[in-house]
Amino acid sequence: GAGVSQSPSNKVTEKGKDVELRCDPISGHTALYWYRQSLGQGLEFLIYFQGNSAPDKSGLPSDRFSAERTGGSVSTLTIQRTQQEDSAVYLCASSQSSTHEQYFGPGTRLTVT
Amino acid sequence: QKEVEQNSGPLSVPEGAIASLNCTYSDRGSQSFFWYRQYSGKSPELIMFIYSNGDKEDGRFTAQLNKASQYVSLLIRDSQPSDSATYLCAVTRNSGNTPLVFGKGTRLSVIA
Repeated sequence: GAGVSQSPSNKVTEKGKDVELRCDPISGHTALYWYRQSLGQGLEFLIYFQGNSAPDKSGLPSDRFSAERTGGSVSTLTIQRTQQEDSAVYLCASSQSSTHEQYFGPGTRLTVT
Repeated sequence: QKEVEQNSGPLSVPEGAIASLNCTYSDRGSQSFFWYRQYSGKSPELIMFIYSNGDKEDGRFTAQLNKASQYVSLLIRDSQPSDSATYLCAVTRNSGNTPLVFGKGTRLSVIA
């Protein structure tokens, strides 16, 4: 079946601009996660959504970052007033409600110039 | 602070050998353990998960978990050049869907 999809695959933006990154999880998966991976670094948790529960935002690095999930499916990660340190690959993952296994999308490579 | 530690490598093994990748974690409450493979420029791909002490085998891959020692490993038998990648260990504490804590990964190079 179809896996996790993300768009755009690449995004170049100027410092100070806002960006939106999109994630479409695997159909039927109720949990959705955002991570980011900077060059040579490990994966850093950002935020996660489980069904209709309030999202766990504990990993968001600043108030410039926000995310929403509409209709329990598609999610959008928004970064306002982008900074150069926001440059990274942003990865989305989803999992079924009854299992732990998370499956990743192809990621969005964000470059802030 | 919850941490997952891996040797960054590179770990070089000859084709056909057994590659052994190790991971330690600091949170004794961790319950679920995962190995992901990440090729350069690609996203992580789940290859194994293990929840109970002992060994779990899937094809050429064996995951080993020792909760008392807070240690999880991945063995790759009959290593192939296509196995060359970075292997990420990830753990999570709670049952249900919770964020994973990742190690920084071990780079494996299988030499033909």
